[in-house]
Amino acid sequence: RKEVEQDPGPFNVPEGATVAFNCTYSNSASQSFFWYRQDCRKEPKLLMSVYSSGNEDGRFTAQLNRASQYISLLIRDSKLSDSATYLCVVNSRGSSNTGKLIFGQGTTLQVKP
Amino acid sequence: GAGVSQSPSNKVTEKGKDVELRCDPISGHTALYWYRQSLGQGLEFLIYFQGNSAPDKSGLPSDRFSAERTGGSVSTLTIQRTQQEDSAVYLCASSSLQLYEQFFGPGTRLTVL
Repeated sequence: RKEVEQDPGPFNVPEGATVAFNCTYSNSASQSFFWYRQDCRKEPKLLMSVYSSGNEDGRFTAQLNRASQYISLLIRDSKLSDSATYLCVVNSRGSSNTGKLIFGQGTTLQVKP
Repeated sequence: GAGVSQSPSNKVTEKGKDVELRCDPISGHTALYWYRQSLGQGLEFLIYFQGNSAPDKSGLPSDRFSAERTGGSVSTLTIQRTQQEDSAVYLCASSSLQLYEQFFGPGTRLTVL
């Protein structure tokens, strides 16, 4: 079983739609959680950190459920520019506490006009 | 300010040759990470540096892979006797502390013929 699992999609949605991505992680000792965005042939860029209390940044809302080991990302009012791959990322706390990131496979979003 | 830089951006080499990939982290960032992303795959962790030491080398796929960091800044990832399966994008990231946001460089696309 992969340490971080995501539905790879693709999700094809019209502009203005609301879309939700889900992610599960297996290491209950994980400390930090993120959503990164990766455009085609580009490096990943941090979209937002995810907190247990939930956090919102404009059209983006992220939620963490530690009990279920589940992370979500909600995008409201999708724009064409939101088309990208969204990576669910967990900071895996190993014995050396290195802060290395464990990435999901990514969920591809295509927003159509 | 300057972000993470990597060189070369592209490298094509013949099977069996050695290659060196360079990463210049954000000034002042003590934590440095190497990841690789193979075609159609997620990102996988290779090695972590804190200052000049590498407390976590658990992701290096074989002893043909090594990395060093000098002066707490620039890091080089060396792949000896390259194989075709080494073809991937090698990404470097840095952060101010090991559990903080990681900023990625643009990557080096390595192709082994």
